[in-house]
Amino acid sequence: GQQVMQIPQYQHVQEGEDFTTYCNSSTTLSNIQWYKQRPGGHPVFLIQLVKSGEVKKQKRLTFQFGEAKKNSSLHITATQTTDVGTYFCAGPPTDSWGKLQFGAGTQVVVTP
Amino acid sequence: SQTIHQWPATLVQPVGSPLSLECTVEGTSNPNLYWYRQAAGRGLQLLFYSVGIGQISSEVPQNLSASRPQDRQFILSSKKLLLSDSGFYLCAWSRSASSYSNQPQHFGDGTRLSIL
Repeated sequence: GQQVMQIPQYQHVQEGEDFTTYCNSSTTLSNIQWYKQRPGGHPVFLIQLVKSGEVKKQKRLTFQFGEAKKNSSLHITATQTTDVGTYFCAGPPTDSWGKLQFGAGTQVVVTP
Repeated sequence: SQTIHQWPATLVQPVGSPLSLECTVEGTSNPNLYWYRQAAGRGLQLLFYSVGIGQISSEVPQNLSASRPQDRQFILSSKKLLLSDSGFYLCAWSRSASSYSNQPQHFGDGTRLSIL
């Protein structure tokens, strides 16, 4: 079956630095979504990418969908303490209808 | 605007006791509804999925069950809890999907369940 994998599992970042987290699928995805979960909170939808090679920006966050639609990345510039949390990517399983398969997430810790 | 309510926020239950967690959505009709479980520091495991009243898909065999008695109400139940049922339970809703498209999922605040 389809697998959605995220790397790295943990990311320690100095405040002000940039970092990237990656999401890879074993199968082609019709779309991919990204979520952020703050410590002690619930996942919150960030963005959805649909088109091959699509790039979307939200302030300091840049999301990219691979040309083959099998991978995605989230790049954060000038990391702030408010970026702390776990970032999940999620994609629809093959032949699914409305369901999402979540990656294991990248837990981000920011050092002031 | 749409809101999702999930309760209780925390729950401590003895092994073998029953469970009932409730989730309700306001401000939308015919939503897709989901129950997830998240172990500490881990990802989200989809437990149940519903596209309409009385329509439940079970994703993982376990001693849990789900019901959707009303359009915007989703209930997670167990007759006898196991130690392994401990975790963070999240309810979510999304607009109905068309074809193979996906809609964003919106999560409740979750229930932290501890089994003693």
